[in-house]
Amino acid sequence: EDQVTQSPEALRLQEGESSSLNCSYTVSGLRGLFWYRQDPGKGPEFLFTLYSAGEEKEKERLKATLTKKESFLHITAPKPEDSATYLCAVRRWITGGGNKLTFGTGTQLKVEL
Amino acid sequence: ETGVTQSPTHLIKTRGQQVTLRCSSQSGHNTVSWYQQALGQGPQFIFQYYREEENGRGNFPPRFSGLQFPNYSSELNVNALELDDSALYLCASSLDGGGAGETQYFGPGTRLLVL
Repeated sequence: EDQVTQSPEALRLQEGESSSLNCSYTVSGLRGLFWYRQDPGKGPEFLFTLYSAGEEKEKERLKATLTKKESFLHITAPKPEDSATYLCAVRRWITGGGNKLTFGTGTQLKVEL
Repeated sequence: ETGVTQSPTHLIKTRGQQVTLRCSSQSGHNTVSWYQQALGQGPQFIFQYYREEENGRGNFPPRFSGLQFPNYSSELNVNALELDDSALYLCASSLDGGGAGETQYFGPGTRLLVL
């Protein structure tokens, strides 16, 4: 069974204080690891897809990396508007020909002035 | 380009009732996936529709059913509602089968409360 574990559950940072979020995964036949951002009461917003170990992607203050067992989301010099829950998900093919995402429970990030 | 839209935004039902949730996929997308997100949890996969056919299902009972229409919009139906069905229901659309990366883009969700 696919498993995705995110840590820490919650993280409080001061503005400008860089940190990393962790996503450990177990999946048979990985077809992409995804990072999403979710604001309270809203749907997840797509950030990145990583496909193979060693791959890195960047967007503004965010950088995602991937190894064979885990992914990291690095946040450099965060701002209060980066406060949100960050979700990690793995995708694989399923019976019937479709594909599904299995999510972790997320890391709730709070950035304070 | 319009994003994924869902209706209604909020819904209150009583135990035993039936509910229908609606989703319009992003322009050009042919696949819709539905997820259930309980408070404080990550989304859980319910099922996926590709070109009007169900092509994958998660660990949800048969009282969760769906449809996809020729314009690729979709419905999620839940019969015999239980208290544990209270959650945020998310629809995600993607362009599958064309090697386009198949990223799932989510709508804002429907918040369902079962009393």
